[in-house]
Formats: sequence, structure tokens, C-alpha cells
Amino acid sequence: AQSVTQLDSQVPVFEEAPVELRCNYSSSVSVYLFWYVQYPNQGLQLLLKYLSGSTLVKGINGFEAEFNKSQTSFHLRKPSVHISDTAEYFCAVSGRDSSYKLIFGSGTRLLVRP
Amino acid sequence: EPEVTQTPSHQVTQMGQEVILRCVPISNHLYFYWYRQILGQKVEFLVSFYNNEISEKSEIFDDQFSVERPDGSNFTLKIRSTKLEDSAMYFCASRRITTTNEKLFFGSGTQLSVL
Repeated sequence: AQSVTQLDSQVPVFEEAPVELRCNYSSSVSVYLFWYVQYPNQGLQLLLKYLSGSTLVKGINGFEAEFNKSQTSFHLRKPSVHISDTAEYFCAVSGRDSSYKLIFGSGTRLLVRP
Repeated sequence: EPEVTQTPSHQVTQMGQEVILRCVPISNHLYFYWYRQILGQKVEFLVSFYNNEISEKSEIFDDQFSVERPDGSNFTLKIRSTKLEDSAMYFCASRRITTTNEKLFFGSGTQLSVL
């Protein structure tokens, strides 16, 4: 079984500042890792995913995340945020099987202030 | 980009009533899912559906819940007798094939409020 912990329920940041949203996972098997974003009144949209290969993955909207196996982390970063990045961000994990069942974290609300 | 459509966006019902949440997955997708998010809590897997049958379900998905693909386009979640604790945002999702680099598409959700 897998689990995901997002330690920060809300992260306030000023526009154009860098941000890091933290995600840690636990699993007894190898996993795939994902970050999803949810804008107000919209569905979940995939930001990026780690399947294999390079541990630094780049996603849409200038976001990137780094897989750290020893620390079981998959933190999301952006060097300079915009007001439009204000949203809920969910880290998710799935075991390396065919079910593609996602286990989500509790989410982090990114609040970008002018 | 193609979309998964969910209706209604918000549904209010009385405790004990039956509700049906509707989803129209992307047309060439073969795998379908329901997730839910109780306010302030994690997004939780409920059930996956493939080839007209349930392929996996969680502990949450008890006998009060059922899923159906009645006409080849819609994918529904039925809650037979709603409880207060069923109040949540319900997300439908679909994907095309089994390879894990195939993206899962989510709908915008149905907010269910049980009074």
C-alpha cells in the first residue's frame, strides 16, 4: 500500500517569488509519482509525472519536481510564481501495476499575493 | 484538449434518498474511475471500471454504491441511500489504455450535499 503526505495545507507567497510545495510518500513497492493542480471550479489537471529516468521532471506552467528516492520525496518547485498559479496542488502516487489507481495527498493551497 | 464532463456540478439531496452522478468520459477511453474528496480531506479512490465490470474498488465502495455504463457513453455512480457522510466532491476520470504513461483525465467534479 502507498500513502502520501503533504505537510503544508497552505503556502502563501508573493508574486515572482520562488516556491516549493513538499510531498513525501511511503510505499513497499516502486511507484510512479504525480502532481495535479486544481483551479477554482475546475477538475484535476496533470502538472507533471515521474515514471522513470531523470529524477528531475519538468511540467507545464514552468513547474518542476525532483524525485528523491532516499528521502522518499517529490517536491514541486517553481522559480517565479504568478497570481494565476493560485490553486490547490495535489501530490499523488501509484504502484507500478496496471490498475493506475492513484493515492492522493491532502493537497496544498498555493496563495500568490501581489 | 478533450474533456471529461460531469453533471450536475452541484447536487443537494435528503438523507436516505438515491442519487445518480453522471459522467461522460472521453470517447475513445476504456478505463473509468470515480474518486471523491470530503471537504478538507484527501482525494480518495472509490472504484475502477473496465470492459463493463468493476476491476477494483476501495473499502468505501460498499453495497450502497454502484456504477454503470448504461449506453456506451455515460458512466454513472449511484448511491442508493445517501448518508450525511456521503457529502463530498465526486470526481470521474478516464484513460485510454493501460500503459502507465497514459494520462488520466479528470472531470471538474460534482459537489454532493446530503442534508
